Parts: sequence; structure tokens; C-alpha cells
Amino acid sequence: GQSLEQPSEVTAVEGAIVQINCTYQTSGFYGLSWYQQHDGGAPTFLSYNALDGLEETGRFSSFLSRSDSYGYLLLQELQMKDSASYFCAVLLLGDYKLSFGAGTTVTVRA
Amino acid sequence: DSGVTQTPKHLITATGQRVTLRCSPRSGDLSVYWYQQSLDQGLQFLIQYYNGEERAKGNILERFSAQQFPDLHSELNLSSLELGDSALYFCASSPTGSLSTGELFFGEGSRLTVL
Repeated sequence: GQSLEQPSEVTAVEGAIVQINCTYQTSGFYGLSWYQQHDGGAPTFLSYNALDGLEETGRFSSFLSRSDSYGYLLLQELQMKDSASYFCAVLLLGDYKLSFGAGTTVTVRA
Repeated sequence: DSGVTQTPKHLITATGQRVTLRCSPRSGDLSVYWYQQSLDQGLQFLIQYYNGEERAKGNILERFSAQQFPDLHSELNLSSLELGDSALYFCASSPTGSLSTGELFFGEGSRLTVL
């Protein structure tokens, strides 16, 4: 089975850096994904880590460490539009679906 | 715009009723997934279809059923509705059933309110 844990809320000011951790307990998985969801809108894909290490996509980066059973999403140069919920998700070995964490609500203040 | 189309966007109905939610995947995508998101909750996997066949099943209630048609659109049927079924229902699609890139393309969702 799997269990993904994320902080429920994070608040930061514009221009700051936020790190959202995702710890997991799973018997094995292909990779860790991150999704962004604005207030009831469609979740949108941000990044995917199949291997350990850092993946950078513009202001957002994602990291995975299988040995430490955790990953994180790093949001840099925060903007007001980054206020949203962020979900980590895993694709378990032998499975065909993404299993999502409960999500982290990021609030960016001026 | 992800290319995934869901209808209706909003639906209000009464307890005990039955509704059908419809999803058209992105052009060329063979796999469709249904997720339920209750207020301030995460995304709970319901069911997946690949090229017309059921591929994976989550904690889907017996009152719920789904299918994928030959043209690859999918429908989620919810019956004997209860207040607790009020939620956002998302459909997502992917090109294949393997999710090798970890990427799903989500529709805008159908917001169901049961009164």
C-alpha cells in the first residue's frame, strides 16, 4: 500500500521560496509527480521524478530521494498566482493509477 | 485547456436520484481515469479504463458505475445519491495505460451537489 504525507498549509510572501515536502511509505513506485490546483479548478501537472535528484522547470523544482523516502517541490520567486493547492502523487509498482496526497494549500501574501 | 472535456460542469440534484457524468478524453488518449474530490480533500481514485476495458478500480461505491465506449468517451453513473456524494468529479486521460511520464491531463470537473 501507500501513504503520502504533506503539510496541510504553507504561507509565504511574494518573492520568497517555499518547499513542500512529501513523505511516503510505500512498497515501491515508479516515480513521484506534482500537481497544482487552483481553487476547485483542474489539477495541472507540474513535474515528475522517476530518478533520485532534482528536476528543474522554471521557478519550480522537484526533488526525490528514494533512500530517504521523501520528495519535495520547491517554489521560487513566489508570485500571487502561485496561491493554490499542490499535490504529490505516486505511481505504484504494478499499478496503473496515480495515488494522491491530501494536498498542501499555499497562500502567497503581498 | 487540457483537451479533456467534462459535462455537465455543475449539477444539483436530490438524494436518491441518479446522475450521469460524461468525459471526452484528449484526442488520441486511450486511458480514462475518474477521481472524486470532496470539499478540501485530496483526489480519491475511483476507476480507470483503457481502450474500453476496465483497468483498475479504487474505492468506488457499488452505487457508482462507469464505462468507456468505443469512441473512448466515458461515463460515470452515480445512483441512489446521498448527501455525502456531493463533490467534484474529475476525469483525466493519458495516452496509454502506463503513465510512464507521471502525467495525467485533467478535465475541469463536474461539481455535483446533492440536496
